[in-house]
Amino acid sequence: KNEVEQSPQNLTAQEGEFITINCSYSVGISALHWLQQHPGGGIVSLFMLSSGKKKHGRLIATINIQEKHSSLHITASHPRDSAVYICAVRFSGGSNYKLTFGKGTLLTVNP
Amino acid sequence: NAGVMQNPRHLVRRRGQEARLRCSPMKGHSHVYWYRQLPEEGLKFMVYLQKENIIDESGMPKERFSAEFPKEGPSILRIQQVVRGDSAAYFCASSSSGDRVEQYFGPGTRLTVT
Repeated sequence: KNEVEQSPQNLTAQEGEFITINCSYSVGISALHWLQQHPGGGIVSLFMLSSGKKKHGRLIATINIQEKHSSLHITASHPRDSAVYICAVRFSGGSNYKLTFGKGTLLTVNP
Repeated sequence: NAGVMQNPRHLVRRRGQEARLRCSPMKGHSHVYWYRQLPEEGLKFMVYLQKENIIDESGMPKERFSAEFPKEGPSILRIQQVVRGDSAAYFCASSSSGDRVEQYFGPGTRLTVT
């Protein structure tokens, strides 16, 4: 079964802390996405990656294809980073346009 | 360059009524995807459409749900005879092609069935 697991489910941090959110998946993929959703809000795509590492501002995403694992890091966290972070993958094969989502990680950054 | 647009943002329907959700893709995008987010659950794929074609509707409930993406105008997700279990956030996304490109999400339509 094609599955996506995220950890932790909930994460509380103090402003300035370094944050790591993890994502594991069960079988081969063609791409992995990290998404951000504010409560009651829309979904913003942060990264799409299929290998290596990407960086945008204070956000860093890495992926290890052999270990079927990706991490999203936030450096110098800020209360405005508080949101749900969602990992989504495109499994290899015929339907590689279809995103399969993790359940999300609720991040709360306190001032 | 406007992003993906969805309307309405909030929709309230009584049980048994019809709900129509609209999605206008980003300019230049001809691929549209619909996803549903049930309360306390993750996002789930519903349907993938290109202009005038349904490519994959494997995530759509078998009854009451339908989707279209006409040659002109927005993509429509239609839910007939809504039930309380249809209450959810419905997101659409668009892309320039179907393979290994970014999907850009709209703000979602929050459907409440009373």
